[in-house]
Amino acid sequence: AQKVTQAQTEISVVEKEDVTLDCVYETRDTTYYLFWYKQPPSGELVFLIRRNSFDEQNEISGRYSWNFQKSTSSFNFTITASQVVDSAVYFCALYQETSGSRLTFGEGTQLTVNP
Amino acid sequence: EAGVAQSPRYKIIEKRQSVAFWCNPISGHATLYWYQQILGQGPKLLIQFQNNGVVDDSQLPKDRFSAERLKGVDSTLKIQPAKLEDSAVYLCASSRGRSGPVQTQYFGPGTRLLVL
Repeated sequence: AQKVTQAQTEISVVEKEDVTLDCVYETRDTTYYLFWYKQPPSGELVFLIRRNSFDEQNEISGRYSWNFQKSTSSFNFTITASQVVDSAVYFCALYQETSGSRLTFGEGTQLTVNP
Repeated sequence: EAGVAQSPRYKIIEKRQSVAFWCNPISGHATLYWYQQILGQGPKLLIQFQNNGVVDDSQLPKDRFSAERLKGVDSTLKIQPAKLEDSAVYLCASSRGRSGPVQTQYFGPGTRLLVL
């Protein structure tokens, strides 16, 4: 069975603070993919990053960075110097070969960045 | 490049009524997905099409939900009759070529359905 857990339901920070969103996954497969999506109030899910299970290199894209650790089954997402526009719900998702092509999403973390 | 289009954006109906949603994927994307997102939860896949064929509909409540993609381009999702628990956002997504999210899924703005 596959499962994605985002234990933080809501996070509130003040602008310019750094914030980390946690994602823990469960899978029996050796080949799988992890994703992060952002869902602003408009409702559209915006793709942020995709990572496969064989690539544990951390990724940095501007103010965003991702830390993938297979040893702890975690794929955490950090926003540096947060901005009000970062306010959204963030979803972590898992795909594994044995589930066909179905993405399994976590419950999401509501991030509010206050000015 | 235009994104995934969905209509309507909002719909309010009474229980036992019927409703239909429309989706037009990104041009050239062969794979189309319908998700249901209940408030406070992550999206859940209802059905996946590869061109005009169904790849996965294992989580579609087939007694009341139906979907089609007749010409392999746009798609409609129908609920008949609707129940209160169908209140949710219905998201459409598309991806290129072969099935699988290795081909990243791109989402539309969704249709917010409220069943009274």
